[in-house]
Amino acid sequence: SYVLTQPPSVSVAPGQTARITCGGNNIGSKSVHWYQQKPGQAPVLVVYDDSDRPSGIPERFSGSNSGNTATLTISRVEAGDEADYYCQVWDSSSVVFGGGTKLTVL
Amino acid sequence: EVQLVESGGGLIQPGGSLRLSCAASGFTVSSNYMSWVRQAPGKGLEWVSVIYSGGSTYYADSVKGRFTISRDNSKNTLYLQMNSLRAEDTAVYYCARAVAANWFDPWGQGTLVTVSS
Repeated sequence: SYVLTQPPSVSVAPGQTARITCGGNNIGSKSVHWYQQKPGQAPVLVVYDDSDRPSGIPERFSGSNSGNTATLTISRVEAGDEADYYCQVWDSSSVVFGGGTKLTVL
Repeated sequence: EVQLVESGGGLIQPGGSLRLSCAASGFTVSSNYMSWVRQAPGKGLEWVSVIYSGGSTYYADSVKGRFTISRDNSKNTLYLQMNSLRAEDTAVYYCARAVAANWFDPWGQGTLVTVSS
């Protein structure tokens, strides 16, 4: 089965750039989607189809996907961005989530 | 407004059964791919099942043969029938719409299932 690998944690100071990676075999050939989840809340879509943003999501959130790594980039990080982030793809007729990355804003 | 509201969670003994419901508004369940995703306490997201607009269904290996996804078009509602429940099925269960059969949006607020004696 297909596996997505994310770092368990990423830490960044306010105003800096956070990069969260999602590794998978030839993931560049798949569409990758990213979700933000704050404690006690349901996940929220922040990037879809590798690099598109839903309405209402700040331009600070961007994505890229190539080779074996997809990346969620959050520019000018704010305290409110502190959350868990998950990548997701489809593999055949099933859905795969990465293990999640906890973003800490120092 | 596009919205999903889950219900049916609760405390159930091992080996028991439970049916979760997910009422949709603002869109038609039967015209979309719909999924259940769960999250055990303190853990990450785990995909459980999907029902295609055409009616085909697929399951994670961890629930295959025990869980059944279905929908009631007249009620615009998605269901998850869970049988032979185990302690490891304890989780918050979310329903979600797969937009363009791809990304999930929106998600419901989740319903907690606790399997314990």
